[in-house]
Amino acid sequence: QKEVEQDPGPLSVPEGAIVSLNCTYSNSAFQYFMWYRQYSRKGPELLMYTYSSGNKEDGRFTAQVDKSSKYISLFIRDSQPSDSATYLCAMIYNFNKFYFGSGTKLNVKP
Amino acid sequence: DADVTQTPRNRITKTGKRIMLECSQTKGHDRMYWYRQDPGLGLRLIYYSFDVKDINKGEISDGYSVSRQAQAKFSLSLESAIPNQTALYFCATSEPSVHNEQFFGPGTRLTVL
Repeated sequence: QKEVEQDPGPLSVPEGAIVSLNCTYSNSAFQYFMWYRQYSRKGPELLMYTYSSGNKEDGRFTAQVDKSSKYISLFIRDSQPSDSATYLCAMIYNFNKFYFGSGTKLNVKP
Repeated sequence: DADVTQTPRNRITKTGKRIMLECSQTKGHDRMYWYRQDPGLGLRLIYYSFDVKDINKGEISDGYSVSRQAQAKFSLSLESAIPNQTALYFCATSEPSVHNEQFFGPGTRLTVL
């Protein structure tokens, strides 16, 4: 079983839609949860990170963690064509045990 | 100027050849990483180094070796390239933190024929 599972998509939505991206994980030791965004032909960049269960907002983005279900989500409100990218979840424990999900490709159509 | 640079950006080689991919960083970070990215498999860690004297194998180190020449330089070698090593390779850096934010280079697209 993979440490982190993520639906690869692709996910195609119209501009303005609310997007939900999700990951599940198997190891309850994970402490920090991150979302990276990767544009085509670029390296990933950190978008958000969170520690505890609950929600964290940053503009149009909300990261949600449910440790009891081992499930994390990234919500994008009012999605824009510029949000079209691959989104990778990532998790870490013990400060040096980290894993990336396989990424979900998102396409926001104008 | 980019903080993390990778050379070459693209490389086509033949089976059995030795290949070196180079990574340089100006971020002053001690930690450096090499990943490969394949469709559907995401990012997989090949090797990582937490300082110049520290080298650790990642998830998929077989067929690869690394050299940490200085704090700013971390090279990945394929001793005898094979076609299933065709992938996008990323170098990344980080500094110690609870969430270990990593800063990625632009990637090297390697094709092994």
